[in-house]
Amino acid sequence: NAGVMQNPRHLVRRRGQEARLRCSPMKGHSHVYWYRQLPEEGLKFMVYLQKENIIDESGMPKERFSAEFPKEGPSILRIQQVVRGDSAAYFCASSPPSGGPSTDTQYFGPGTRLTVL
Amino acid sequence: GQQLNQSPQSMFIQEGEDVSMNCTSSSIFNTWLWYKQDPGEGPVLLIALYKAGELTSNGRLTAQFGITRKDSFLNISASIPSDVGIYFCAGLLISGGGADGLTFGKGTHLIIQP
Repeated sequence: NAGVMQNPRHLVRRRGQEARLRCSPMKGHSHVYWYRQLPEEGLKFMVYLQKENIIDESGMPKERFSAEFPKEGPSILRIQQVVRGDSAAYFCASSPPSGGPSTDTQYFGPGTRLTVL
Repeated sequence: GQQLNQSPQSMFIQEGEDVSMNCTSSSIFNTWLWYKQDPGEGPVLLIALYKAGELTSNGRLTAQFGITRKDSFLNISASIPSDVGIYFCAGLLISGGGADGLTFGKGTHLIIQP
């Protein structure tokens, strides 16, 4: 399966704990995007990364949230000191390198459902 | 920021009927994408549109990128039970710094009555 992989699929945390969400892009894709989805809502863009670079983090909350996409390994979305309002589904998407066909097309993973107790 | 108005919010139709939904925006987009999301899953890409006026089909699905680049529609012909789900439009604006994140509509819930 060469699709976007996310883990864990479900994550439960108590208020104040840290949440780490992982995303492995599709093979050959070098762009990673993170989105958040609240119940009955569309997805909201959070951050766009390429290897070792944050390209656009305009949708990221200013505090407690961070993202990285290291040279080796998956992209990580990290939420520190979680609060109940962080409960949501977090989706990762990937797209091919710039300049190739279908550069703009983003393919989504199955998501991580975060529940904060 | 950009906003997408997607309508209708929900549709109750009979199996075999055709379906039409659309998205409009106050901003111009370079790319329009249509996704379907099943409960507990991520969005699955249905159709991608890259040029104004483009009309693209994928089986029983047809989508068009509006000439003004501010709207798009998705049609589903002869609906079947597995078409049930939430359909999202998404627009992408390419800025000088490269591709940005997608802007999503709020979704159209499609419910099919046998």
